[in-house]
This record gives sequence, structure tokens and C-alpha cells, in this order.
Amino acid sequence: EADIYQTPRYLVIGTGKKITLECSQTMGHDKMYWYQQDPGMELHLIHYSYGVNSTEKGDLSSESTVSRIRTEHFPLTLESARPSHTSQYLCASSDRYEQYFGPGTRLTVT
Amino acid sequence: AQSVTQLDSQVPVFEEAPVELRCNYSSSVSVYLFWYVQYPNQGLQLLLKYLSGSTLVESINGFEAEFNKSQTSFHLRKPSVHISDTAEYFCAVSEPGSARQLTFGSGTQLTVLP
Repeated sequence: EADIYQTPRYLVIGTGKKITLECSQTMGHDKMYWYQQDPGMELHLIHYSYGVNSTEKGDLSSESTVSRIRTEHFPLTLESARPSHTSQYLCASSDRYEQYFGPGTRLTVT
Repeated sequence: AQSVTQLDSQVPVFEEAPVELRCNYSSSVSVYLFWYVQYPNQGLQLLLKYLSGSTLVESINGFEAEFNKSQTSFHLRKPSVHISDTAEYFCAVSEPGSARQLTFGSGTQLTVLP
């Protein structure tokens, strides 16, 4: 059983607010990922990390930022939320072969 | 660069009927192949994977997929589906040693009808 956690599960927030989506894993994986997924749509990689102090942008341009100062923790931050940020955000970590996903955070910006 | 094509965006099927969800990939090197399942309001769960060895791989809940290198395909099949199999299914490919790892297809919504 994979141990990767995301909080909050659901978030409704007003335009202009700063938000941080939390992601933690207890498996000691070096590689971690953030995906954005609209309902019923494909996943788009927005950020990934090889390890502590390493972050890269993914395929989909995103106004969010990430940090990786501890192996187990990979938070995603939006400095000023907008309705266009409404989506589901999935965090994952990986061993050598496969990725393990958290339950996701469904963000709604009003 | 690698890519994944899931040929059917929606597959409706009656309960106890067989189903096949199609997946084709393109890559210039050898690959690992995966099927993930996503239930509503949840993250993705690994259903099965092909890394090497036998080209036919099976999951614990009756799904199977066959790696066909000549046709660059990894179709998912189940001989008899249940209502509980209703979900979104994603095919994914990775190249060994790649830090980015997974490229996902666009997903197939399987709906099992009573």
C-alpha cells in the first residue's frame, strides 16, 4: 500500500488568495510529481522533482510554484488564485519503475 | 519523444460482457508500460504493469494486458466486467532511466451498464 497524502482534499477559495496544497510521502522516494487534471480529462505534468532542492517545470505551463526542502514533502503554492486555476491537482512519487498517487486536491476558485 | 494514444474516450458495455480498452504508444527505445485506474474523486491506482519478461500481465481483479512490440500496443482486456469496474482507465509509458518517467494517454471512461 502506497503512503502518499494530500491535504486538503477539497478547497473552495476566493480570487486573489494565496494557497498551498500539501503533499507528503513516507516511502523515501526521491522523485515526486504534480499533475493537473480537469474533470474527465487527461493528466498534465506541471512540476517534478528529482530530490531535495531540485525542481523542474513540466509540460503544462503553470503559475504555481513548488519547493522541495525535505525528501518527504513537496508542496505546491499559488500566490494569487484565479478561477482559471480551478482543477484537480494530483501528487505522485515514484520508485525506480512506477508512480504512486495521492488522492488529489479538488480546487475551486470563485 | 514518447507518446500514448488511447483510441476510445468512452466505452459503454453491459455487465458480464467482455471489454477491451485500446492503447498504442510510440517510442524510439524500449519501454515500460502501465495501466492505471481512477475512480471518481480519487487519485490513480496502478492496475498492472509490463517491465520485462512475459508479454501477458494480469491484475488481481481479472484484468489482463498484452505487450505487442511489433504493433506497439498494450491493450487492456477483461472477459467479464462488473458494475464496480466503472472508472477512468489511463495507459502510460515510460523509458527506463528517465527521470520524467510517465507519459499518459488521454484516458478511457469505462461505463458498465446493468
